[in-house]
Formats: sequence, structure tokens, C-alpha cells
Amino acid sequence: YILTQPPSVSVAPGQTARITCGGDNIETETVNWYQRKPGQAPVLVVSDNSDRRSGIPERFSGSKSGNTATLTISRVETGDVADYHCQVWDSSSDPVVFGGGTKLTVL
Amino acid sequence: QITLKESGPTLVKPTQTLTLTCTVSGFSLSSSGVGVGWIRQPPGKALEWLALIYYNDHKIYRPSLDSRLTIAKDTSKNQVVLTVTSVDPMDTGTYFCVYYTNFGWFDPWGQGTLVTVS
Repeated sequence: YILTQPPSVSVAPGQTARITCGGDNIETETVNWYQRKPGQAPVLVVSDNSDRRSGIPERFSGSKSGNTATLTISRVETGDVADYHCQVWDSSSDPVVFGGGTKLTVL
Repeated sequence: QITLKESGPTLVKPTQTLTLTCTVSGFSLSSSGVGVGWIRQPPGKALEWLALIYYNDHKIYRPSLDSRLTIAKDTSKNQVVLTVTSVDPMDTGTYFCVYYTNFGWFDPWGQGTLVTVS
């Protein structure tokens, strides 16, 4: 099972970043999103498609439509600079699958 | 508060066996529904799940690496150990241990440990 993410997304401060994660029949999967800031361990930001985790700003939201899951970051700040990874638990191949990761750049 | 901390060698020679230890606190490795896994990230590449051990000692491995991986736990020491046999430079990366419950996600993560195979 393959999850496809764009390698990079660039936005200006205050704008909205949308990071996509595509996969066959992803509508049947539960998608989780992780944020990895430089030099730090990944942090779970959105679980179960759209549940924002405790302590994560309301600017972060998750959604799914068709074959694509999306992590949306509103009012982007320089502190949001990180790599973002989507993940599903898939029983058809590798039990745990990660997307390739997307580097968010704030211009 | 649940915490995990990885330890092990920073440099390993090709063909050797890599042994990494994850020391956990804030929960018991025998608590129903609990699991601890290992995930790595080679430099500049994607996260790659490796293995998971459950509270009842059930283990699952990444199919492509199944023959080289072993995961085990010592509940009395609050430790989970991952061994990787016959390492080569492609095994270079940061190795994370992670907490897992049956909801499908990993949270929290250990700080990670960088392993170089050279």
C-alpha cells in the first residue's frame, strides 16, 4: 500500500497550508498525521482522520475526501516549519504505512 | 506521563548485529492493549515502521525485513529490545521507539537515536 505526499509545500505566514496524502481506497482507512520539527521526535497532531490531539493548536485540522486525506494548517506561523507525515494501518500489505513526508516551508 | 528512551550504539560495522533498547516509564509493558514499536527514518527519507510487540508478547514485523528483525520485551526491566542482523549502510538512520494502543496511531515517541552503519 502506498501513500503519496508532495515533497514540499510553501506558504507565506498567515496563509493556509494544505498537505495532501493520497492512497487507493484511503476513504476506508484511518489516517494519522505526525509533525517532525528539525532535531525533534515526531509528534502526533491529528489522529483518526480528523481528531486534533491535546495541545495541538486549533489551526491544525484533518479531513478526507475521495482518495485523498488532507492536513490543513490555517494562519501558518514560522513555528510550523516541519516535515509532516501521514500514516495508516493497512492489513493488506505492510501493517503500518507512512507517506513519504512533506516539508513545510514558510516563506 | 508516558516516556520512552532509546539507547544503543551510534556506529555499527556492516554485517554486524545492531541491538537497540527502549526503556519506558509511565506504563507497564504487560498492561492490556499496550504495545511498543520501533520506527526508523534514514537521512532524507520517509519514516519506516519496523516492528511492534504487544502486551501479550504478540509480535509483528515489517514483511520486507522480517528475517533480520527480532523484538522482545523484559517487563521487569521496563525495556523493549530490537535486534537487526546483518546491517548494511542502508540501515543508517534515526531509530525511534513508540507507544501504541489499539487505536492505530503512535503516541508518544522516544527522542530517537542515530545509528550509522559504516
